[in-house]
Amino acid sequence: GDSVTQTEGPVTVSESESLIINCTYSATSIAYPNLFWYVRYPGEGLQLLLKVITAGQKGSSRGFEATYNKETTSFHLQKASVQESDSAVYYCALGDQDYAQGLTFGLGTRVSVFP
Amino acid sequence: GGIITQTPKFLIGQEGQKLTLKCQQNFNHDTMYWYRQDSGKGLRLIYYSITENDLQKGDLSEGYDASREKKSSFSLTVTSAQKNEMAVFLCASSQGLRSAETLYFGSGTRLTVL
Repeated sequence: GDSVTQTEGPVTVSESESLIINCTYSATSIAYPNLFWYVRYPGEGLQLLLKVITAGQKGSSRGFEATYNKETTSFHLQKASVQESDSAVYYCALGDQDYAQGLTFGLGTRVSVFP
Repeated sequence: GGIITQTPKFLIGQEGQKLTLKCQQNFNHDTMYWYRQDSGKGLRLIYYSITENDLQKGDLSEGYDASREKKSSFSLTVTSAQKNEMAVFLCASSQGLRSAETLYFGSGTRLTVL
């Protein structure tokens, strides 16, 4: 079946430092699945951070970027300079069908940013 | 904007009990989902529904029933709660039928079985 592997947390980083959360995937049904990063901030529900549905393209949101790399089957999430408000749990996910059949999520990476 | 409301927020049950979780969305979305999250694990799909009265099993459907009698609501039943079970159940919805659609999540129901 499908699988998503991401950086095991927790990850701690100081404010203004860079952050990278690795994500690699394996999709069984289609060559180029849809890829997502979801985030849960403290006290809030899970929400979409960014998505990329075309291989080779980059998505960005709130200063975060992720590039869909079909050669390495990766979708790493990066931010050049984090803020304390970026403290959250980040989930990489893939959609392996053209039609909605649910997403496959990674285990999540808890990120804590300290001032 | 819209909202997904899950009730109850906390559910405490006894071993063997049948328990029902409810989810309502006012986005007018076609597709709804139930996910389960255990501590230290990712979200796992239990059931999804692409329209009213449609039900599709996910990887974790054994031990659960679901019902979608209206477009706006999707309920999940734990048919026989397992002792010491603890998990968070997340309901989500998406517009349309494509997997590229954004999922909108509720805040979850936390289940504890004594």
